[in-house]
Amino acid sequence: QVQLKESGPGLVQPSQTLSLTCTVSGFSLTSYNVHWVRQPPGKGLEWMGRMRYNGDTSYNSALKSRLSISRDTSKNQVFLKMNSLQTDDTGTYYCTRGLGAFDYWGQGVMVTVSS
Amino acid sequence: DVVLTQSPATLSVTPGERISLSCRASESVDTYLHWYQQKPNESPRLLIKYASQSISGIPSRFSGSGSGTDFTLSINGVELEDLSIYYCQQGNSLPTFGAGTKLELK
Repeated sequence: QVQLKESGPGLVQPSQTLSLTCTVSGFSLTSYNVHWVRQPPGKGLEWMGRMRYNGDTSYNSALKSRLSISRDTSKNQVFLKMNSLQTDDTGTYYCTRGLGAFDYWGQGVMVTVSS
Repeated sequence: DVVLTQSPATLSVTPGERISLSCRASESVDTYLHWYQQKPNESPRLLIKYASQSISGIPSRFSGSGSGTDFTLSINGVELEDLSIYYCQQGNSLPTFGAGTKLELK
């Protein structure tokens, strides 16, 4: 069955870099796009960026200067790196599969930016 | 970026009633509009795709309509388990989400 699972540090210091991994199973990264979506505590969903099935990437214009998404198809993993973290980057980070609609989601990983 | 405006922000409901949630786009998104339900401490769940297409496993009381800039999610006979936050999302250009509509008990 289709599964996505996020992993990474729960605590990041301000100005540091966040590194997250999305490990997928039940589908191929060369057939589906994988997106990153985040949600600050008590707030709405924000699309961050995507790794397309063909290896192309797209980013939210508000995050583009700080964000990088890559993948390792042999390991079925998609990676997110975001630098210069601030306290308002605190929230739950999800990876989700979607060619159009986002049909499967990971459980999310909570990231707190604090010293 | 396409801005999605959801209304109302909060809707107080009585079990059994039929309700409608609105999502308006700042420019046409054709039918590239999807709806999600999110319960507390859970990941979002896809309810309706491409404005009106049903999703396997989603109760038939959920339906969607619209095209262009105006979209509606309807729940025909709200149940207590439907008390959640509902988000719309467009995929006509780089994805964006609406701010959400919270269903609460009247």
